[in-house]
Amino acid sequence: DAGVIQSPRHEVTEMGQEVTLRCKPISGHDYLFWYRQTMMRGLELLIYFNNNVPIDDSGMPEDRFSAKMPNASFSTLKIQPSEPRDSAVYFCASSSQGDRVTDTQYFGPGTRLTVL
Amino acid sequence: AQSVTQLGSHVSVSEGALVLLRCNYSSSVPPYLFWYVQYPNQGLQLLLKYTSAATLVKGINGFEAEFKKSETSFHLTKPSAHMSDAAEYFCAVNKGGGGNKLTFGTGTQLKVEL
Repeated sequence: DAGVIQSPRHEVTEMGQEVTLRCKPISGHDYLFWYRQTMMRGLELLIYFNNNVPIDDSGMPEDRFSAKMPNASFSTLKIQPSEPRDSAVYFCASSSQGDRVTDTQYFGPGTRLTVL
Repeated sequence: AQSVTQLGSHVSVSEGALVLLRCNYSSSVPPYLFWYVQYPNQGLQLLLKYTSAATLVKGINGFEAEFKKSETSFHLTKPSAHMSDAAEYFCAVNKGGGGNKLTFGTGTQLKVEL
């Protein structure tokens, strides 16, 4: 398996622009997570889906952030409009139902976002 | 609410020396605990996890961790450090509420010196 795939790996944009980050989870996994990592705040869970349905979006910082999962093999995280404080590494992770509490989350390589 | 505290944001050891990375948890119920490793410019990778089956958990790359309820700890150890172990290590706890929603610690950067 190719693992969790994220694109782009790097994104540089200007303040006010729309940014879309993409994630393809591991085939057969039914949980998908979006995280943000910064030096100041560490690793934060933004939102997660189960069977394509958003379960908990309490970590989404504000209305400028939105996430969708139109099917089991694709998810997007959109920031509109982007701001310099959104600069971070965004990770996508997926896991399978199985034992819901202890199943391993598999992380993608991340998208490094820089907003100028 | 469940959380984890990692003591020491930076740890430096000599190659061949013992590695000890500290993690303490706070939980009102028995937690599920995890250690992840992040190599430079990569995503996180699971090292090991505690699921209440055994208090001493062995993971990949020679790492192990011991769950100590009396100390509310889940410290990560490796008998002999290797240069390739240089990375950032994260302790995490299952936050409950369905699914395997994790809360991560702030991370410990491990440096291995010759």
